[in-house]
Amino acid sequence: GAVVSQHPSWVICKSGTSVKIECRSLDFQATTMFWYRQFPKQSLMLMATSNEGSKATYEQGVEKDKFLINHASLTLSTLTVTSAHPEDSSFYICSAHDRGSYNEQFFGPGTRLTVL
Amino acid sequence: QKEVEQDPGPLSVPEGAIVSLNCTYSNSAFQYFMWYRQYSRKGPELLMYTYSSGNKEDGRFTAQVDKSSKYISLFIRDSQPSDSATYLCAMSAGYNNNDMRFGAGTRLTVKP
Repeated sequence: GAVVSQHPSWVICKSGTSVKIECRSLDFQATTMFWYRQFPKQSLMLMATSNEGSKATYEQGVEKDKFLINHASLTLSTLTVTSAHPEDSSFYICSAHDRGSYNEQFFGPGTRLTVL
Repeated sequence: QKEVEQDPGPLSVPEGAIVSLNCTYSNSAFQYFMWYRQYSRKGPELLMYTYSSGNKEDGRFTAQVDKSSKYISLFIRDSQPSDSATYLCAMSAGYNNNDMRFGAGTRLTVKP
């Protein structure tokens, strides 16, 4: 089956630093990848949609200058949280749309970010 | 009003019970309906996928969609402790699911 990996699985950083999270589709090509954020006991909130080779589309209320998304290849998208603050602490999950499949999104295992 | 409403629970049932999980939605454009299972500190995994109204069965799981009432359900028969997880409903209007919206998730515990 389609596998999506994320790295790192968890990260702790100091306030003001930047953190990069990688999302990879391991056995399929993903023309579209999605980034979600999930706070404890809350649902997944879509942050942005990224298409390979083009700029990401951000959801309303998500700061594109703070959450930098790069989708440089059909198997890799990165999310960089710039100048992270404690309120950015959350569970970040990516998903990928297999262009060879109908319309299923395959989710990564998530990255837990804690900003001190 | 949220686009997708789901009771977060928690819901606790004894092993072997029938579990009913539900979501309501407001956007009549939604046509694709999914149920995901998410274990603690893991990403969601797709359980059931249905298009438009009707029922779909897969083993112990049955998904129902009633578009006229904007109401979807997931039934779990003969629930097992391994079914303990958070269940999220999700739905989208477009074929590519680029506009998928999730419910808050219902935390289910099945006690042995």
